[in-house]
Amino acid sequence: EAGVTQSPTHLIKTRGQQATLRCSPISGHTSVYWYQQALGLGLQFLLWYDEGEERNRGNFPPRFSGRQFPNYSSELNVNALELEDSALYLCASSLRGAGKNIQYFGAGTRLSVL
Amino acid sequence: GQQVMQIPQYQHVQEGEDFTTYCNSSTTLSNIQWYKQRPGGHPVFLIQLVKSGEVKKQKRLTFQFGEAKKNSSLHITATQTTDVGTYFCAGSFSGGYNKLIFGAGTRLAVHP
Repeated sequence: EAGVTQSPTHLIKTRGQQATLRCSPISGHTSVYWYQQALGLGLQFLLWYDEGEERNRGNFPPRFSGRQFPNYSSELNVNALELEDSALYLCASSLRGAGKNIQYFGAGTRLSVL
Repeated sequence: GQQVMQIPQYQHVQEGEDFTTYCNSSTTLSNIQWYKQRPGGHPVFLIQLVKSGEVKKQKRLTFQFGEAKKNSSLHITATQTTDVGTYFCAGSFSGGYNKLIFGAGTRLAVHP
């Protein structure tokens, strides 16, 4: 069974540009989560999608947005990139329900903003 | 708001020493999960604890869930260099969609 896949692996952008990151969850998982992890730091929660709807949002500006498609894959968009957006962006997927929300992470997209 | 506090932030040990990281929540958790992220890798699920006072072991790792289901600990006996990485706890809060909130993580360095 395929795990969570993220693309691209690396992304280099310049300030002010837009970045689009993609995530395919494990088959059967309806929840997708996005996290930002700056170098050497913890996981900062960005967004949570389930069944196509945004369930929760972390403390990030509106230029961070995303969506979940009918096949449960997801996209994270970052507009007007700033230097401090450089980080590893991790996607995770899970089932939904009590005791079932174990998150399985992808390998991440390393975003570098120059 | 719902928060999961994890300490310490960093821990340096000599190989063979023990290591413990602690997690606390101000509100009761429905379950707690532990993840490990190796340097350069992504978080990987280790274990889930659900019952009050539950203790689970995985080889040299011992996981505990407090009686009040508000705290948890991960203890590693006789650390090895392969234990290096960041250990995250994640608390699941009941209600709604069982939101999972990650602690800040404890980075473990093991010196041979």
